[in-house]
Amino acid sequence: NAGVMQNPRHLVRRRGQEARLRCSPMKGHSHVYWYRQLPEEGLKFMVYLQKENIIDESGMPKERFSAEFPKEGPSILRIQQVVRGDSAAYFCASSQTLGGWYEQYFGPGTRLTVT
Amino acid sequence: KQEVTQIPAALSVPEGENLVLNCSFTDSAIYNLQWFRQDPGKGLTSLLLIQSSQREQTSGRLNASLDKSSGRSTLYIAASQPGDSATYLCATTKAAGNKLTFGGGTRVLVKP
Repeated sequence: NAGVMQNPRHLVRRRGQEARLRCSPMKGHSHVYWYRQLPEEGLKFMVYLQKENIIDESGMPKERFSAEFPKEGPSILRIQQVVRGDSAAYFCASSQTLGGWYEQYFGPGTRLTVT
Repeated sequence: KQEVTQIPAALSVPEGENLVLNCSFTDSAIYNLQWFRQDPGKGLTSLLLIQSSQREQTSGRLNASLDKSSGRSTLYIAASQPGDSATYLCATTKAAGNKLTFGGGTRVLVKP
């Protein structure tokens, strides 16, 4: 049973470009969460999605950031017109719906560097 | 708004000593609490999950306690090894399926 998968593991973008980060949850998990870890800072929640629905986006910056979890395929975190301050590690987590007390399992992260 | 604090931010112990890691939270109305381990440049590994109705949870050399009324959890690691060197994070959720609120972590170094 593969764990949470994220790709790419490392992503370099120039200022103004778009970044697309992908997350495939664990098999049988229908809840996906995105977190961001800025350099020398703690992990902060960004958005919580279920299939085709955004449940909680209270941690998402108001502009340039969007997320989706389509019926088929991985969840995507999209950052438009990246700036240096977007450089961070972005982690995806998933949890199952039934039982398990919604324990969240994390992927290896995508490290975004904006030059 | 939930705030999670971990003190100290860093800890260094000789190999073989027991580790005691503290986590405190301001809102006692939690659904569960998770302890994670993060190695440098890596993702998070879930160590233990304590349900709100539980007082402790054990896995091998790890034991985590939960005191909701005082807003505290403690992670004990027995007989520490150099391989235990990592950052340990605690996080709480307010409701089923809800987001995790993380503490700042305790960076642990176990010296051989």
